[in-house]
Amino acid sequence: EAGVAQSPRYKIIEKRQSVAFWCNPISGHATLYWYQQILGQGPKLLIQFQNNGVVDDSQLPKDRFSAERLKGVDSTLKIQPAKLEDSAVYLCASSLFSAASYNEQFFGPGTRLTVL
Amino acid sequence: AQTVTQSQPEMSVQEAETVTLSCTYDTSESDYYLFWYKQPPSRQMILVIRQEAYKQQNATENRFSVNFQKAAKSFSLKISDSQLGDAAMYFCAYAGAQKLVFGQGTRLTINP
Repeated sequence: EAGVAQSPRYKIIEKRQSVAFWCNPISGHATLYWYQQILGQGPKLLIQFQNNGVVDDSQLPKDRFSAERLKGVDSTLKIQPAKLEDSAVYLCASSLFSAASYNEQFFGPGTRLTVL
Repeated sequence: AQTVTQSQPEMSVQEAETVTLSCTYDTSESDYYLFWYKQPPSRQMILVIRQEAYKQQNATENRFSVNFQKAAKSFSLKISDSQLGDAAMYFCAYAGAQKLVFGQGTRLTINP
């Protein structure tokens, strides 16, 4: 079974530029998550989708971050404009069942973003 | 809000020995789940073990076991017969009615 795919793996941009990350979850997984992992910290949930609807985006900085999950499969996370403090690894995860937090999540390899 | 605390930023252990990683959490919920996730260098985060709060019996998965103390809100991970492949960041995580909340992580080094 193929795992969660993410691209790109690495991205370096200047502050105030825009960037987009892509995630393809495990086939058949209804729930998709985007996490931000700042160096030395645990992942922090940014947004959670069930199919193509948003379940939780309470910690998403909506003035600069946006995410979508068209057709309930792939998802894109965008930052516009980027700030220095956005430097982090962005992790995508998916789970098979409902959006209940106790379901096992399967993580992708992450995208490491450096903002200069 | 729920919080998860891992007080050991780094731990090291000799190969084949046993090591215990600590985790405490704060919650007012009575029904929840606790997890240990492993994040090897430059590799995907994977689930190591899961504990349901309503179960008194501690979860075990091969060389990995937990010591779940609900009253103390403590959830430690014991790794027996440590192997070089166990080297990684280990994250304790709490799942209640809302989102999954992670601790800060413990970096485990295995000395050959």
